[in-house]
Amino acid sequence: EAQVTQNPRYLITVTGKKLTVTCSQNMNHEYMSWYRQDPGLGLRQIYYSMNVEVTDKGDVPEGYKVSRKEKRNFPLILESPSPNQTSLYFCASSLGNYYATNEKLFFGSGTQLSVL
Amino acid sequence: TQLLEQSPQFLSIQEGENLTVYCNSSSVFSSLQWYRQEPGEGPVLLVTVVTGGEVKKLKRLTFQFGDARKDSSLHITAAQPGDTGLYLCAGARDNYGQNFVFGPGTRLSVLP
Repeated sequence: EAQVTQNPRYLITVTGKKLTVTCSQNMNHEYMSWYRQDPGLGLRQIYYSMNVEVTDKGDVPEGYKVSRKEKRNFPLILESPSPNQTSLYFCASSLGNYYATNEKLFFGSGTQLSVL
Repeated sequence: TQLLEQSPQFLSIQEGENLTVYCNSSSVFSSLQWYRQEPGEGPVLLVTVVTGGEVKKLKRLTFQFGDARKDSSLHITAAQPGDTGLYLCAGARDNYGQNFVFGPGTRLSVLP
């Protein structure tokens, strides 16, 4: 089954304790992206990747890191989490056809992160 | 910065009623998408509109892209409880249609 898998589904941590949220897709997609979703603000893009070893900042990259060493995986790293990073996080992927105007984003089921 | 606004923010209606939700921006988008998100899940794509003035129908859902490609609407006819969810519009940031900016969403509740 084609899917984007995020882990963990729920995470409670404390300020300053490094954490990684994993994201994996089995569709051989070129493009992957991370979003955070907060009430009233919708989905805001954190980082995205057009291909292996190619990553770029989205709208709210501060406090986050990513890596794309393999096509299928795109982990999100919080080196020193703070309470304002408490949010619902989504990973998404798409084919990455550079000239397509109708790319479909496939989303994972989300990771609810609470930073105390 | 490209921004999308959605209205209304919340909508609660009875089964069988019709409704329209709106997605507006001051920016022009090369394409615009609508997603539906249910609790505990990620958004799922409903439709992509590309051409100004384009109208697409998906069963009881009708999507329209504004002539100037700055706005869009979603009309639901005879709403059903299964339509309940968060409706998000997303505009393509560039001509390549991969990088999207999302609106804040309209939360729809259809009561039986």
